[in-house]
Amino acid sequence: DVKVTQSSRYLVKRTGEKVFLECVQDMDHENMFWYRQDPGLGLRLIYFSYDVKMKEKGDIPEGYSVSREKKERFSLILESASTNQTSMYLCASKGQGIPGANVLTFGAGSRLTVL
Amino acid sequence: DQQVKQNSPSLSVQEGRISILNCDYTNSMFDYFLWYKKYPAEGPTFLISISSIKDKNEDGRFTVFLNKSAKHLSLHIVPSQPGDSAVYFCAARGGSNYKLTFGKGTLLTVNP
Repeated sequence: DVKVTQSSRYLVKRTGEKVFLECVQDMDHENMFWYRQDPGLGLRLIYFSYDVKMKEKGDIPEGYSVSREKKERFSLILESASTNQTSMYLCASKGQGIPGANVLTFGAGSRLTVL
Repeated sequence: DQQVKQNSPSLSVQEGRISILNCDYTNSMFDYFLWYKKYPAEGPTFLISISSIKDKNEDGRFTVFLNKSAKHLSLHIVPSQPGDSAVYFCAARGGSNYKLTFGKGTLLTVNP
């Protein structure tokens, strides 16, 4: 089974802090994604990456950046955390050219609280 | 502009009965649809999918129906079990091969 691991399940940060959320997948998937989930808003795509060092903005990239230096690792960076970035952050990965290639596999999520 | 809509925020059914979760979409370019289930404090897990060239896909207790002319899909769970209680997200793929668009989710509660 594909495993997507998010290093921090719960984080509490202060406004203005720089925050790193790390995600690692173990199935050699080309595509990786960062979503945030908020009540009443569903899952919204922040950024995605289709290859090492490649990234594209999703629907709500403002206030975020990403890094993909290695194929298995995709990091989400909040340069200066704000209270409206308090949310559940979900990392996902997806392969290409295989059965079920449309299926995202998600990590368990990182609950970030910004005070 | 919400391209994938789940208009029912919540649904409550009795154990053993059928659960029907609905999803509407507006983008005719969507060619693949998926349902995910999410328990609290966990990531979403894939449940079932359907290609736009089909109108039905079945997997055990779960069946997804697609009505392209109405731009509507539904997930049927028969029989419903208390362990099915979760938030269900509808998702659609279109245009970019990389991106899924999700609905806001429906909280299903199955009462014993």
